[in-house]
Amino acid sequence: DTGVSQDPRHKITKRGQNVTFRCDPISEHNRLYWYRQTLGQGPEFLTYFQNEAQLEKSRLLSDRFSAERPKGSFSTLEIQRTEQGDSAMYLCASSLVSFSYNEQFFGPGTRLTVL
Amino acid sequence: AQKVTQVQTEISVVEKEDVTLDCVYETRDTTYYLFWYKQPPSGELVFLIRRNSFDEQNEISGRYSWNFQKSTSSFNFTITASQVVDSAVYFCALSLHSGNTPLVFGKGTRLSVIA
Repeated sequence: DTGVSQDPRHKITKRGQNVTFRCDPISEHNRLYWYRQTLGQGPEFLTYFQNEAQLEKSRLLSDRFSAERPKGSFSTLEIQRTEQGDSAMYLCASSLVSFSYNEQFFGPGTRLTVL
Repeated sequence: AQKVTQVQTEISVVEKEDVTLDCVYETRDTTYYLFWYKQPPSGELVFLIRRNSFDEQNEISGRYSWNFQKSTSSFNFTITASQVVDSAVYFCALSLHSGNTPLVFGKGTRLSVIA
């Protein structure tokens, strides 16, 4: 079990550019979550998947954001036309839906800086 | 709407002291889970403990213990005999229903343990 991995770990981009992040969950975990964390705040929910189905999107997820999990394994989060306000740590987590085991395990995050 | 409040923004203690981190939550749901996560300087969120809304029994796990009181909507977390490695930001979080739903986090409490 290698844990949740995210790529890249850091991304610096210029305003207006598109960026894409990848998350690989713990194998056999069927739920995958994306959160965003800004400095000094707790993580805020963006969206989550059950296998390949996107179950919910937060109001924080503007039209410039899109996420997918095409084969129910890894997921990508794309931000189009980045803005300085998008600068944050983007966290991915995964969990296994069961009666007694529901902790979400987090990856190391992708830190985005928009110049 | 759900809300988690961590009143203490920062706490500083001397090594070997006990420290309690406070968490107050709001939800209208009767079934929910509460969690504590630790975020060390490396940035990765680490799961510590969970408790469901039907079980108010308080427990001790090593140097960690927690006090869950539904009457006051509080879920406090205590570290006994603190160590320098405990220095981190600690987040309290709430998840509805079975627990496999997006987490609502507090803003975190930064704990500094001084040698």
